[in-house]
Amino acid sequence: SQQGEEDPQALSIQEGENATMNCSYKTSINNLQWYRQNSGRGLVHLILIRSNEREKHSGRLRVTLDTSKKSSSLLITASRAADTASYFCATDDTGGFKTIFGAGTRLFVKA
Amino acid sequence: EAQVTQNPRYLITVTGKKLTVTCSQNMNHEYMSWYRQDPGLGLRQIYYSMNVEVTDKGDVPEGYKVSRKEKRNFPLILESPSPNQTSLYFCASRRSRAVYGYTFGSGTRLTVV
Repeated sequence: SQQGEEDPQALSIQEGENATMNCSYKTSINNLQWYRQNSGRGLVHLILIRSNEREKHSGRLRVTLDTSKKSSSLLITASRAADTASYFCATDDTGGFKTIFGAGTRLFVKA
Repeated sequence: EAQVTQNPRYLITVTGKKLTVTCSQNMNHEYMSWYRQDPGLGLRQIYYSMNVEVTDKGDVPEGYKVSRKEKRNFPLILESPSPNQTSLYFCASRRSRAVYGYTFGSGTRLTVV
């Protein structure tokens, strides 16, 4: 079953602009993670935000979490062509040991 | 270098011929997991392991087996592969679910004809 659902499915922006991706989920979570995947390669972990945190930063990345709305957003500031990739959210459920990924947002940054 | 190593990277096989995809991590992680990735469906968890000799089913375990006899290795076994198991497979490991995300392998692209 899909837990995280990303929105939009695809996003195209100019270099230097900000990119915002959203993730919604259905059940109670311990934490939410964001990953990047370059075409067909392994996913790279970007950031983890715990359920009791509301915002987290890492370099040009800013993640927010709203547990009342069961949603999260990933903001990439001052995008670069190298940020072109697919971005996935994933959630650790509270009931067990599963980690469930969404279908991803494809980001294309034009130079 | 800390990494998760999967082999092979590419595999073409025929229906019904048993195969094993190996996965090894050198980070002493307790938690390991297998995912398959299909277009439009994201990543779906096949099996996971919380520690040696402790494994459990994910969301799509049918047609797959795993074992965890050593902490570093977590092979994925397809006893009788079928064309609907054609997919991109990822092994991943993790130190702690509370504060760390997964480290992923480079993937195995499997085609079953």
